[in-house]
Amino acid sequence: AQSVTQLDSHVSVSEGTPVLLRCNYSSSYSPSLFWYVQHPNKGLQLLLKYTSAATLVKGINGFEAEFKKSETSFHLTKPSAHMSDAAEYFCVVRGSSNTGKLIFGQGTTLQVKP
Amino acid sequence: GAVVSQHPSWVICKSGTSVKIECRSLDFQATTMFWYRQFPKQSLMLMATSNEGSKATYEQGVEKDKFLINHASLTLSTLTVTSAHPEDSSFYICSARDYRGLETQYFGPGTRLLVL
Repeated sequence: AQSVTQLDSHVSVSEGTPVLLRCNYSSSYSPSLFWYVQHPNKGLQLLLKYTSAATLVKGINGFEAEFKKSETSFHLTKPSAHMSDAAEYFCVVRGSSNTGKLIFGQGTTLQVKP
Repeated sequence: GAVVSQHPSWVICKSGTSVKIECRSLDFQATTMFWYRQFPKQSLMLMATSNEGSKATYEQGVEKDKFLINHASLTLSTLTVTSAHPEDSSFYICSARDYRGLETQYFGPGTRLLVL
């Protein structure tokens, strides 16, 4: 079965410093992985996705993630945090069936301090 | 493009009443829609998968008679919480998968339900 584990429930950074949100996955085959962001009172927004193409995936708002099979990781990074990046971030893996079911990690709250 | 709406955005109801939540794909057709539940400070838990024109598939532990799902068209799915109780209070989120693609789901803004 597929699963994801987000290693940090809360991350705090200062504005202008790098962001690292960690995610490890478990999958019996090559997975499809996603990062979603959830701002308060707004719907989830797709930041980026990996679907067995390039291992370094660039997303919106300056975020990127690298798929590392040897480490079973898909960490999300951004070189310089903005105040507007403060939100809840979810690492997600697509389930094994063709239904397209998504399996969510526990979420990481990103706090950006001025 | 790829906008999903939910209505209402929040609802308060009395215990024992039923509440219907609508999920619409506004600019694309969705053969499959998904319903999630999110408790405060927690992740999203899939409740059911809704396929247009057929019965929904419920996840283990989700009562299908309590959470009625109807997907009558390619742009609309509804979730009805029947005989609501305070423990049903939660944030309900739907998503829709474009019929042309398997990978990307587009999420609605969510509906906050409070049962008194």
